[in-house]
Amino acid sequence: SAVISQKPSRDICQRGTSLTIQCQVDSQVTMMFWYRQQPGQSLTLIATANQGSEATYESGFVIDKFPISRPNLTFSTLTVSNMSPEDSSIYLCSVEAPTGGSYNEQFFGPGTRLTVL
Amino acid sequence: KQEVTQIPAALSVPEGENLVLNCSFTDSAIYNLQWFRQDPGKGLTSLLLIQSSQREQTSGRLNASLDKSSGRSTLYIAASQPGDSATYLCAVTTSGTYKYIFGTGTRLKVLA
Repeated sequence: SAVISQKPSRDICQRGTSLTIQCQVDSQVTMMFWYRQQPGQSLTLIATANQGSEATYESGFVIDKFPISRPNLTFSTLTVSNMSPEDSSIYLCSVEAPTGGSYNEQFFGPGTRLTVL
Repeated sequence: KQEVTQIPAALSVPEGENLVLNCSFTDSAIYNLQWFRQDPGKGLTSLLLIQSSQREQTSGRLNASLDKSSGRSTLYIAASQPGDSATYLCAVTTSGTYKYIFGTGTRLKVLA
């Protein structure tokens, strides 16, 4: 399994500013994922972050708006740039990790609740 | 393109009832299906994972089944309790990818 922590847990930000969210895992993992959950909605994958390479973004998400760093196998950051009220969401970090069986499961951090005024 | 739907969107039941949550997906070529629980304003807790070769998984009062050919999974909760109140999400990965596609969720409320 994997235990994931995120900072900050929540923040209220002004329009036009940027916020960097940190994700720390208690074990080394190859892939880390960033999701967005808009109010009342399900989760949407923003990008996949592999250590040592550029993040891979899903359709509708771009690097200029959501730059991602992955400096090592236990840490990643997601920045939400030039924020607008539409960016108000919960942002979740997740990883794939072995469960002790023959397969991997996806584990999630507690999320960062962002409100943009 | 894989789409995942959950029915019902919301459910309210009295304590002690057995209940079934449904998840359907459009592309049967899945690698695995995972059920999660999400409490309000919180992250996701993994409940059960079913690999494509499996038909069901059980953990305590929870039982998840998978029918790939019909594109369906069910989560059965026995003897429901107020502490089971949460949003339940199913998610699938399609063979050959690592991406999870999430369903729309079922908001469950168990009344004491």
